[in-house]
Amino acid sequence: EAGVVQSPRYKIIEKKQPVAFWCNPISGHNTLYWYRQNLGQGPELLIRYENEEAVDDSQLPKDRFSAERLKGVDSTLKIQPAELGDSAVYLCASSHTRAPGGYTFGSGTRLTVV
Amino acid sequence: DQQVKQNSPSLSVQEGRISILNCDYTNSMFDYFLWYKKYPAEGPTFLISISSIKDKNEDGRFTVFLNKSAKHLSLHIVPSQPGDSAVYFCAASASNSGYALNFGKGTSLLVTP
Repeated sequence: EAGVVQSPRYKIIEKKQPVAFWCNPISGHNTLYWYRQNLGQGPELLIRYENEEAVDDSQLPKDRFSAERLKGVDSTLKIQPAELGDSAVYLCASSHTRAPGGYTFGSGTRLTVV
Repeated sequence: DQQVKQNSPSLSVQEGRISILNCDYTNSMFDYFLWYKKYPAEGPTFLISISSIKDKNEDGRFTVFLNKSAKHLSLHIVPSQPGDSAVYFCAASASNSGYALNFGKGTSLLVTP
């Protein structure tokens, strides 16, 4: 079984530029999460999807961040424009709906904004 | 505010000895607790979990203990092996929030030969 696939693995951009991250969850996993991990911190939830519906986006900075999960499968997280403070690892995870402990994380995208 | 706290940023243990990683939480609504292990340049991988209705869960060399009254949990690794060297994250979730995970800052474990 393929795991959660994220791309790109690394991205370096100049501030004020846009950037997008892509995630393909495990087949059959209805719930998809985007987390952000700053250096020396634990991951923090940005948004949670149940199928194609964003059911918790309270922590997503909506002025510059957007996400979509068309057809309830893969998902894209976008930042426009990027700021220096957005440098972090962006992690995608998926699970069976409402299954505690059933998370599988991808390897993440390390974003560096210069 | 940090609802899950891991107050020890790092821990060094000799091979064969016990490693004890600690975690405290503040939100009484949390009903499921997990430990994740993370190697550099990889995503966190699930290690072991415990429901709030239990006080102990064991899986091979790994045991998680939960003390609900103290809002404290710990991960015991016995015996520790060099391959256990990684960052360990404590996480907690609540059924009323769709089991979204709240993570601590992590503890970096180094197991020396």
